[in-house]
Amino acid sequence: GNSVTQMEGPVTLSEEAFLTINCTYTATGYPSLFWYVQYPGEGLQLLLKATKADDKGSNKGFEATYRKETTSFHLEKGSVQVSDSAVYFCALSHPRRDSNYQLIWGAGTKLIIKP
Amino acid sequence: SQTIHQWPATLVQPVGSPLSLECTVEGTSNPNLYWYRQAAGRGLQLLFYSVGIGQISSEVPQNLSASRPQDRQFILSSKKLLLSDSGFYLCAWSSGNEQFFGPGTRLTVL
Repeated sequence: GNSVTQMEGPVTLSEEAFLTINCTYTATGYPSLFWYVQYPGEGLQLLLKATKADDKGSNKGFEATYRKETTSFHLEKGSVQVSDSAVYFCALSHPRRDSNYQLIWGAGTKLIIKP
Repeated sequence: SQTIHQWPATLVQPVGSPLSLECTVEGTSNPNLYWYRQAAGRGLQLLFYSVGIGQISSEVPQNLSASRPQDRQFILSSKKLLLSDSGFYLCAWSSGNEQFFGPGTRLTVL
């Protein structure tokens, strides 16, 4: 079946450090891939997405490349800030029989940035 | 532009009491709607989704139910809350394969 695996957190970094949060997936067909971010006490926001192999999604300095050969969609940022502290979710989207798209979610990775 | 509202933002309820959480979407028509639960420090669990008025699909057996009385209204209910119903409840809508989330309702059952 379809699944998403993320690196376990929390991930603790100093400000201006390089960030990588690993995400790998298992899926049939050609899913779309997403990163969502959840700031403390809030709902989820779409951070970036990629819809086909070799696409790179980017937003707010974050990037992720859809790698079909390694079934990965790792999230990276060159220089993190304290304001990036949040929980990050990797997800894939696949169509269902009723034409609805279901998101398959990773467990989330908590990121803590220290000043 | 589209917006999604949830209320209440926080709720504290005794065990055995009823529950009603409401979600409304503005700026779009015939959206797919979703209810998720997020337990403390954990990931998202899809509870229900709906592709149209009166059409509800349940993903997990539980103490909760959902209804969609109007195109852009999605309600999560329970007749008798359990302690294990505590969590952060998120409503989302989608058009295509991307989902957009509301601000969430934090429910504490005592």
